[in-house]
Amino acid sequence: AQSVTQPDIHITVSEGASLELRCNYSYGATPYLFWYVQSPGQGLQLLLKYFSGDTLVQGIKGFEAEFKRSQSSFNLRKPSVHWSDAAEYFCAVGAPGGADGLTFGKGTHLIIQP
Amino acid sequence: GAGVSQTPSNKVTEKGKYVELRCDPISGHTALYWYRQSLGQGPEFLIYFQGTGAADDSGLPNDRFFAVRPEGSVSTLKIQRTERGDSAVYLCASSLYFAGGTDTQYFGPGTRLTVL
Repeated sequence: AQSVTQPDIHITVSEGASLELRCNYSYGATPYLFWYVQSPGQGLQLLLKYFSGDTLVQGIKGFEAEFKRSQSSFNLRKPSVHWSDAAEYFCAVGAPGGADGLTFGKGTHLIIQP
Repeated sequence: GAGVSQTPSNKVTEKGKYVELRCDPISGHTALYWYRQSLGQGPEFLIYFQGTGAADDSGLPNDRFFAVRPEGSVSTLKIQRTERGDSAVYLCASSLYFAGGTDTQYFGPGTRLTVL
């Protein structure tokens, strides 16, 4: 079975600074990888996804993520954060051909300092 | 267009009671998923429907949990004899079709269930 680890429970970044949120996965083959964002009172919103091909994927709101097979990682990055980026971020993995939904990490809470 | 809607947004019940949580997916989406998100955790998969049938209910924690989708659209998650440990946010998601894990799932705002 697949699993996801988000090692950082909380991250604090100054507005305008760069951001990297870490995600490591465990899966026997090439997984399908997703990053979702959850703002208070809001549903989960998909930021970006990786299925195959170019290992650097671009998403919405200026986010990007890089798939590194050798490190089993799919880290999320943004060059310059805005106060509105404060939220909970979840990395998730889907198993190709699987019928068991997505497996999510525990999330990283992003705090933006003015 | 309208997104995934869930009702009620909040539900408070007493231990031992029966509750129903409703999910209205995006129109035309054939796949529907239920997840449970406990405090401080990521969503945990419960059950998935393709059309009217439950294609995979392996995530349901026990037989107190049951879900239906009789007409292939709206789904209801039913919890019998609720326990305090059932307190969580129950999320519903839908996707256009199930493509073996590749489909983009669109999530609703969730129902916060509190069992006293």
